[in-house]
Amino acid sequence: AQSVAQPEDQVNVAEGNPLTVKCTYSVSGNPYLFWYVQYPNRGLQFLLKYITGDNLVKGSYGFEAEFNKSQTSFHLKKPSALVSDSALYFCAVRDVANDYKLSFGAGTTVTVRA
Amino acid sequence: EAGVAQSPRYKIIEKRQSVAFWCNPISGHATLYWYQQILGQGPKLLIQFQNNGVVDDSQLPKDRFSAERLKGVDSTLKIQPAKLEDSAVYLCASSLEGDNQPQHFGDGTRLSIL
Repeated sequence: AQSVAQPEDQVNVAEGNPLTVKCTYSVSGNPYLFWYVQYPNRGLQFLLKYITGDNLVKGSYGFEAEFNKSQTSFHLKKPSALVSDSALYFCAVRDVANDYKLSFGAGTTVTVRA
Repeated sequence: EAGVAQSPRYKIIEKRQSVAFWCNPISGHATLYWYQQILGQGPKLLIQFQNNGVVDDSQLPKDRFSAERLKGVDSTLKIQPAKLEDSAVYLCASSLEGDNQPQHFGDGTRLSIL
C-alpha cells in the first residue's frame, strides 16, 4: 500500500522568509511524486513533479522540491514567500504497486503574513 | 490552452434526489478522472477513464454513483439517490497518457445535500 503524510496541518511564515512544506511517503516501488496547490473555491494546480534524475526539482511560481530517497521525503520549498502563496498545498504519490493511482496527503494550509 | 471545464459550480439538493455533473477535459487529453474531495481532506479517486473506457472504478460506490465518457471527450458523473455523506466537492481532472504525466484539474462542483 502507498501513503503520503503531510505532518503539519498549518505552516505560518512572514513574507520574505523561506517557506517549507513537508511531505513523506511510503511506497513499494519507485515513486512518482507531485505537489499541487489549491486556492479557495478552485481546483488543484500542478506545481512540480519528480519522476527520475536530479533530486532537486524546480516548478512553477518559484517553488522547488527535493527528493530524498533515504528519508522518503519530498519537501516543497520557496526561498522567499509571498502573501499570494497563502493556500492549501497537497503532496501526492503514484507507484507501480498501486497501479499508479494518485494518492494525496491531507494537505497543509500555508499562511504568509505581510 | 483552455483548462478543464466543469458545471455546475454549485448544486444544492435534498437527500434521495439525483444530480449530475459535467466535465470537458483539456483538448487532446486521453485520460479523465473524477475525484471526491470532502472538506479538510485530499481528493479521493472515484473513477478513471482512458479515452471512453474505464481503467479504474474500484472506489466508485456503484450502487448510487455512475459515470460515462461516451465519445472519449466529455464526461458526466451521476449520483442517484444522494445521501448526506455525498456532500463534497467533485473534481474532474485530465492528463496526457502516461503515469508520469501531471493531472490538470477543473474548479469542481460543490454539492450540498440537505
